[in-house]
Amino acid sequence: AQRVTQPEKLLSVFKGAPVELKCNYSYSGSPELFWYVQYSRQRLQLLLRHISRESIKGFTADLNKGETSFHLKKPFAQEEDSAMYYCALSDPGGNKLVFGAGTILRVKS
Amino acid sequence: NAGVMQNPRHLVRRRGQEARLRCSPMKGHSHVYWYRQLPEEGLKFMVYLQKENIIDESGMPKERFSAEFPKEGPSILRIQQVVRGDSAAYFCASSPPSGMNEQYFGPGTRLTVT
Repeated sequence: AQRVTQPEKLLSVFKGAPVELKCNYSYSGSPELFWYVQYSRQRLQLLLRHISRESIKGFTADLNKGETSFHLKKPFAQEEDSAMYYCALSDPGGNKLVFGAGTILRVKS
Repeated sequence: NAGVMQNPRHLVRRRGQEARLRCSPMKGHSHVYWYRQLPEEGLKFMVYLQKENIIDESGMPKERFSAEFPKEGPSILRIQQVVRGDSAAYFCASSPPSGMNEQYFGPGTRLTVT
């Protein structure tokens, strides 16, 4: 069965500290992996996807097929990064996203 | 481009009533997806539609729930005879024909059943 696990409900870090939001998945095959972000009072929006291999707002995520993980990282957290982050997967040509439960990131000054 | 629109943003229904949630996709998008988010949980896929067709309804409850995306007008998610367990946030997303995995989300409709 397809499943996405985000083990942390809440991650609290100080400004300038490194951030790692964990995501593990269960899928037989080669899924596409995504990170979505929801800032306060805004709608859910795509942050990055593994096939793009790009860095958005300083965030990167590497797909590790051996560990079935897609952790989101940023070397220096900023206060404006505070938000809810969701990891998600889909079939390569798929039509639905499977979401994790989300992690709230709080960046303290 | 106003983005994906959903209305109403908040809907209160008594048990047994019907709830109708509307979703207008982004301009040029012909694919619509509905997700439900229960408290403390992630979004769960419900149904995927293209104009006048249901493509995948594997996440829809077998009874009381239905969805449509007519040739003209918004997509509608209909819940008949609502129960307290239907209280949740319902999100709609849309995507263009060429990029089915790039989904753009609406602000959601929060349904409360009293």
